[in-house]
Amino acid sequence: NAGVTQTPKFQVLKTGQSMTLQCAQDMNHEYMSWYRQDPGMGLRLIHYSVGAGITDQGEVPNGYNVSRSTTEDFPLRLLSAAPSQTSVYFCASGRTSGGSTDTQYFGPGTRLTVL
Amino acid sequence: GNSVTQMEGPVTLSEEAFLTINCTYTATGYPSLFWYVQYPGEGLQLLLKATKADDKGSNKGFEATYRKETTSFHLEKGSVQVSDSAVYFCALSDKKTGGSYIPTFGRGTSLIVHP
Repeated sequence: NAGVTQTPKFQVLKTGQSMTLQCAQDMNHEYMSWYRQDPGMGLRLIHYSVGAGITDQGEVPNGYNVSRSTTEDFPLRLLSAAPSQTSVYFCASGRTSGGSTDTQYFGPGTRLTVL
Repeated sequence: GNSVTQMEGPVTLSEEAFLTINCTYTATGYPSLFWYVQYPGEGLQLLLKATKADDKGSNKGFEATYRKETTSFHLEKGSVQVSDSAVYFCALSDKKTGGSYIPTFGRGTSLIVHP
């Protein structure tokens, strides 16, 4: 199993550009999520999904869109990049059971810089 | 709502010293508790977990006991190594009926081990 994969590993954007961060998992997990990690801020949840066709907003969703057309893939779209979106982005997945999630499996991260 | 509180870092120790990282939680249901570790430049990975009161999770010399009476899940290791230098995250997943799927993470505690 490859686990959770993310591409690209690094990205530099100019203000106003758009891009998609890719995330895929091969563990057939229902739950997938996107976090951003900034110094001193811990992990902040952007969006999450509990299955194909179902997505919802997390703590900091503004400026980001997601879709979940398959169980495996959960891309994150930056609509119009801003310097405030400079961060490290992590995708995670996990099994669901009884209304909660089990162990979260994280990807290696995408380091994004917006100039 | 649910919350996880970790001791602030960084925690700085000499090699072979005893480690404790405190974690307390609040939850409305019956949570599973987790410790994740993040090495520099990587995503989070599961270190250990416990699913019910009085369970002890252990891995790589680290231990944590689920204490329902004190709502705590403190991480301990008897003799740390330089290679243990990382950021440690305490987390919970609430199994309350009708509860949110979203796991709750602490802010993370940085551990620095000197030779």
